[in-house]
Amino acid sequence: GDSVTQMEGPVTLSEEAFLTINCTYTATGYPSLFWYVQYPGEGLQLLLKATKADDKGSNKGFEATYRKETTSFHLEKGSVQVSDSAVYFCALVTNDYKLSFGAGTTVTVRA
Amino acid sequence: DTGVSQNPRHKITKRGQNVTFRCDPISEHNRLYWYRQTLGQGPEFLTYFQNEAQLEKSRLLSDRFSAERPKGSFSTLEIQRTEQGDSAMYLCASSTDRGLGTFFGQGTRLTVV
Repeated sequence: GDSVTQMEGPVTLSEEAFLTINCTYTATGYPSLFWYVQYPGEGLQLLLKATKADDKGSNKGFEATYRKETTSFHLEKGSVQVSDSAVYFCALVTNDYKLSFGAGTTVTVRA
Repeated sequence: DTGVSQNPRHKITKRGQNVTFRCDPISEHNRLYWYRQTLGQGPEFLTYFQNEAQLEKSRLLSDRFSAERPKGSFSTLEIQRTEQGDSAMYLCASSTDRGLGTFFGQGTRLTVV
């Protein structure tokens, strides 16, 4: 079945550091790929998405490129802020509706 | 647009009791989903409604679980005879299209003691 594997955390960074969270997937069809973020005490929010190979999703300084050849969708940000501290989830959907999530990566950014 | 609303936010119950959670999706969203999230894991799909029709139920949804969406608006998730293993965050989500814009509520955290 469909599955997502993402880098285990927790990840601790200093402000302005470069962030990468690895995500790879297994899917039978042609999935759409997502990154969701969960800030402390809040619900899941869609951060960015990509619907086909080579698409790049971007939002709030975060980027991820859909790499079909490596079945990956790594999340990157060039300069993190304390406010980026959150749990990040990689996810995919291949059928019409069902999201499959990775286990989540906790990111803590220190001032 | 007030987003997906879930009530209650927290529920503590004794083992063996029944509990019911409510979800109000974003208005005009015809699709509604329930997910369960345990500590340190990503959300897992439980069930899905297209309008009032329940179109898929995960194997995670035992016979003690039942979900409804009367009139295709709000939804309820009931757990009968709760067990400690039911302790988790129950997330509701809604969308209008093919999963490309799925919006989540803040969840109901259930603790079974």
